[in-house]
Amino acid sequence: EAGVTQFPSHSVIEKGQTVTLRCDPISGHDNLYWYRRVMGKEIKFLLHFVKESKQDESGMPNNRFLAERTGGTYSTLKVQPAELEDSGVYFCASSRSGRGTDTQYFGPGTRLTVL
Amino acid sequence: GDSVTQMEGPVTLSEEAFLTINCTYTATGYPSLFWYVQYPGEGLQLLLKATKADDKGSNKGFEATYRKETTSFHLEKGSVQVSDSAVYFCALIGGSNYKLTFGKGTLLTVNP
Repeated sequence: EAGVTQFPSHSVIEKGQTVTLRCDPISGHDNLYWYRRVMGKEIKFLLHFVKESKQDESGMPNNRFLAERTGGTYSTLKVQPAELEDSGVYFCASSRSGRGTDTQYFGPGTRLTVL
Repeated sequence: GDSVTQMEGPVTLSEEAFLTINCTYTATGYPSLFWYVQYPGEGLQLLLKATKADDKGSNKGFEATYRKETTSFHLEKGSVQVSDSAVYFCALIGGSNYKLTFGKGTLLTVNP
């Protein structure tokens, strides 16, 4: 069974540019999550999809971030326009159910650097 | 809100040494507790978990016991190997929630 994959692994962009991150969850996992780790800080929850619906986007920093999950398969996270403070590692995770006892499987992350 | 506090690193040990990484938490309800590990160049992997008080999670020689009375979930291993060098994250999901709340991570380096 393939794990969670993320693309790209690294992205370096200039302030003000747009970047789109992609996540492919484990096949059959309806629940998809985005998290972010800013340098030196904890990994923080951004949002949660159940299939194609956003269940909770309370962790999204501001309206420069837009997440989509068309067809309930892969998800994209777009940052537009990017700011310096958006630099960090963006993780995607998926789980079969949304229960708290269910394991969330993480991808390798996308390291975003905004110059 | 929910929070996790784990010991600050980095931690440097010699091979075959005993490892403890402390983790305490604050949460509403009855959280599930997790240890994730990130090996160099890789993503987060679940190491072990415990979903109710007094449960012990174990994997790859690592253990952690869910202690409700002390709100702790300390990670232990009796004899570390060089291949255990990684960043270890303590995390919880509180009550009927689904969001993982993480600690800051502890970098472990094991020298031969």
